[in-house]
Amino acid sequence: DAKTTQPNSMESNEEEPVHLPCNHSTISGTDYIHWYRQLPSQGPEYVIHGLTSNVNNRMASLAIAEDRKSSTLILHRATLRDAAVYYCILRPTGANSKLTFGKGITLSVRP
Amino acid sequence: GAGVSQSPSNKVTEKGKDVELRCDPISGHTALYWYRQSLGQGLEFLIYFQGNSAPDKSGLPSDRFSAERTGGSVSTLTIQRTQQEDSAVYLCASSFNMGGAGETQYFGPGTRLLVL
Repeated sequence: DAKTTQPNSMESNEEEPVHLPCNHSTISGTDYIHWYRQLPSQGPEYVIHGLTSNVNNRMASLAIAEDRKSSTLILHRATLRDAAVYYCILRPTGANSKLTFGKGITLSVRP
Repeated sequence: GAGVSQSPSNKVTEKGKDVELRCDPISGHTALYWYRQSLGQGLEFLIYFQGNSAPDKSGLPSDRFSAERTGGSVSTLTIQRTQQEDSAVYLCASSFNMGGAGETQYFGPGTRLLVL
């Protein structure tokens, strides 16, 4: 399976935008890019996903590079509740697309 | 609305005992996954169900681990003769359809298992 590379950690200030990068240089043409996050002592939760085009939802935006070898999760205004581990995951097309989690990036938000 | 629920929330057991962990997926979700999260290994896949069948058991770490799903709904993960290295958070997730690449998985809060 194609792998993703993320920084170990990032800090942000409350109410400022946050850009979380992810590299996936070996992505295949049919791999979806998913982001999940895990708040302390909770199960992971879905944030956003995309294939080729940039995506927006109520939680975040996903910017996908034209060559699809990298992507960026954008939180437009960080809140203290956004402090979590964010996982960038590639999911190959096909049934039983289990999630393969890496180490993720730990986001800290300063008040 | 009702999400994925798991029970018990916490379980402490003695080495060598058997434990059963339960997962109630979101109603109508046909795909169900078990994962576990331990300090040393991060979050890892264990088993996948499509309906009551388990076409992918590749993540089960040993034959002490088994799982079943009945009625296309509730699933039980059983660990026999527990070992200390089984201590982890066991997470269940479900998705609506066949669990394809574009689908969202919804996770439960997990069961924290401690083997003494």
